[in-house]
Amino acid sequence: QKEVEQDPGPLSVPEGAIVSLNCTYSNSAFQYFMWYRQYSRKGPELLMYTYSSGNKEDGRFTAQVDKSSKYISLFIRDSQPSDSATYLCAMSGQDTGRRALTFGSGTRLQVQP
Amino acid sequence: EPEVTQTPSHQVTQMGQEVILRCVPISNHLYFYWYRQILGQKVEFLVSFYNNEISEKSEIFDDQFSVERPDGSNFTLKIRSTKLEDSAMYFCASSEARHSGELFFGEGSRLTVL
Repeated sequence: QKEVEQDPGPLSVPEGAIVSLNCTYSNSAFQYFMWYRQYSRKGPELLMYTYSSGNKEDGRFTAQVDKSSKYISLFIRDSQPSDSATYLCAMSGQDTGRRALTFGSGTRLQVQP
Repeated sequence: EPEVTQTPSHQVTQMGQEVILRCVPISNHLYFYWYRQILGQKVEFLVSFYNNEISEKSEIFDDQFSVERPDGSNFTLKIRSTKLEDSAMYFCASSEARHSGELFFGEGSRLTVL
């Protein structure tokens, strides 16, 4: 089983739609959960950062973490064509001081005008 | 807004040659990282660096790789003898906090090994 699994997509939605992106993971030691956005041939850009379980909202973006199910989600409200990118989930653990991020493979999102 | 900067943006080299990729992390950050992304694949961790020493490295980061902070601003990744499979985007990142995932990435250096 892969440590972090993410549907590669592509996911195509009309402008204004609510987008749901998610990842599952197998390592229960993960405590920090991130969502990065990556435009083609660019560096990952941090969107959301969550520690442990719960929800976090920032503008049109909401991140959810369910540690009991080992499942994290990113919701994008009122999606825009400029949201078209690859969305990477990433996570890290604290138990051994491990700071390395483990990334998902990324979901490619296309928002159609 | 502060950002991580990387040079060069693209380097083409012959197999067996040495390559140095350079990064200027965000100025008040204390933790520095290199990640790589082979075309079409996941972003993979290479190494983390704190207080002038390697704090963690992956199995990818073998003896061909080394990192250095030669002065107060630059952070470099050296590949001693490049192989075809080293062709990838190399991302530098930095973070402020110790146990955190709030990494800020640079735009990347594309390495092509011929």
